[in-house]
Amino acid sequence: GDSVTQMEGPVTLSEEAFLTINCTYTATGYPSLFWYVQYPGEGLQLLLKATKADDKGSNKGFEATYRKETTSFHLEKGSVQVSDSAVYFCALSQRGGSQGNLIFGKGTKLSVKP
Amino acid sequence: DVKVTQSSRYLVKRTGEKVFLECVQDMDHENMFWYRQDPGLGLRLIYFSYDVKMKEKGDIPEGYSVSREKKERFSLILESASTNQTSMYLCASSHRGRATNEKLFFGSGTQLSVL
Repeated sequence: GDSVTQMEGPVTLSEEAFLTINCTYTATGYPSLFWYVQYPGEGLQLLLKATKADDKGSNKGFEATYRKETTSFHLEKGSVQVSDSAVYFCALSQRGGSQGNLIFGKGTKLSVKP
Repeated sequence: DVKVTQSSRYLVKRTGEKVFLECVQDMDHENMFWYRQDPGLGLRLIYFSYDVKMKEKGDIPEGYSVSREKKERFSLILESASTNQTSMYLCASSHRGRATNEKLFFGSGTQLSVL
């Protein structure tokens, strides 16, 4: 079945460092891809999405490019801040599938130190 | 702003108790979902509903049931709580439709401890 694999955390960075969180997927067809973020004490919220190959999703300085050839959707940010400390979830949704239920990765915890 | 409200932030129950987790959304969303979140396992879908009085099993429905009597409210029921149901429970909602269904709005979660 469809699945999402993320790099294991936790990831600890200093402020202004470059961030990459790897995400690869296994799916039939052409899924939509997402990154959700969960700040401490809160529920998840959508960070960015891409719906077709070579699309780039971006928000709040974060970017991810839908790479069909490598089945990847890596999350990047050029300069992280302490406020980016959170858990990040990669997810996919099969368009035309069973109402597009999301399949989530296990999450990667990011801690940014001042 | 879309708001998904879960009735309790923390809950402590005893083994064998019947437990109700309540979720209310105020954006007239058709779709509602219950997930549990465990360290190292991520989010797993328990049940979902696309309409009033409608429910479908997710990936891990065993030991749970749900109720959707009104569009805005989706309840998760643990008929007889067990210690392996200690977890963070997240409710989510979304609009119907292929594109809009992909954006889920989550509540803040209920941390349930079963002793």
